[in-house]
Amino acid sequence: GDSVTQMEGPVTLSEEAFLTINCTYTATGYPSLFWYVQYPGEGLQLLLKATKADDKGSNKGFEATYRKETTSFHLEKGSVQVSDSAVYFCALTRDRGSTLGRLYFGRGTQLTVWP
Amino acid sequence: DAGVTQSPTHLIKTRGQQVTLRCSPKSGHDTVSWYQQALGQGPQFIFQYYEEEERQRGNFPDRFSGHQFPNYSSELNVNALLLGDSALYLCASTQIDRGRELFFGEGSRLTVL
Repeated sequence: GDSVTQMEGPVTLSEEAFLTINCTYTATGYPSLFWYVQYPGEGLQLLLKATKADDKGSNKGFEATYRKETTSFHLEKGSVQVSDSAVYFCALTRDRGSTLGRLYFGRGTQLTVWP
Repeated sequence: DAGVTQSPTHLIKTRGQQVTLRCSPKSGHDTVSWYQQALGQGPQFIFQYYEEEERQRGNFPDRFSGHQFPNYSSELNVNALLLGDSALYLCASTQIDRGRELFFGEGSRLTVL
């Protein structure tokens, strides 16, 4: 079945360090891929997405590239800030219609950035 | 513009009881999905409602049921609670035929003793 595997956390970095959070997926067909972020005390927020192979999603300095050959969608940021401390979730959907339906999430990776 | 709102934020029940959780979608949205997030896990899809009907369902038993009202708000009902039902229950909304992003509420934290 469809699934997402994320690198286990927690991840602890100093401010301005480079961030990579690995995500690989298993799915039939051509899923759309997402990164969601959950700040303390808040709901999940969409960070970025990619809908087809080789697409690069980007937002707030974060990037991820849809690699079909390696079934991966790794999240990267060149210089993290304390305010990036949160839990990051990789997710996929096979819904190709115009309405987003079922998402499959990874377990989440806790990121803590120290000043 | 109000986002997705859920109530209650926290509640405690005992095994065998029943619980109802409520969700109001973001303004302009007509489709509601429910997810269960156990501690240390990612959210798992329970079901999705549109036009007061269940459109998709995940791998959850019939003890989990839902309802959508004409104003698009939704309820999640769980009967015969088990200890394993303790989790954060998330509601997400989108707009049919246009919605390529899910907007999530902050969730309802259910503890079953």
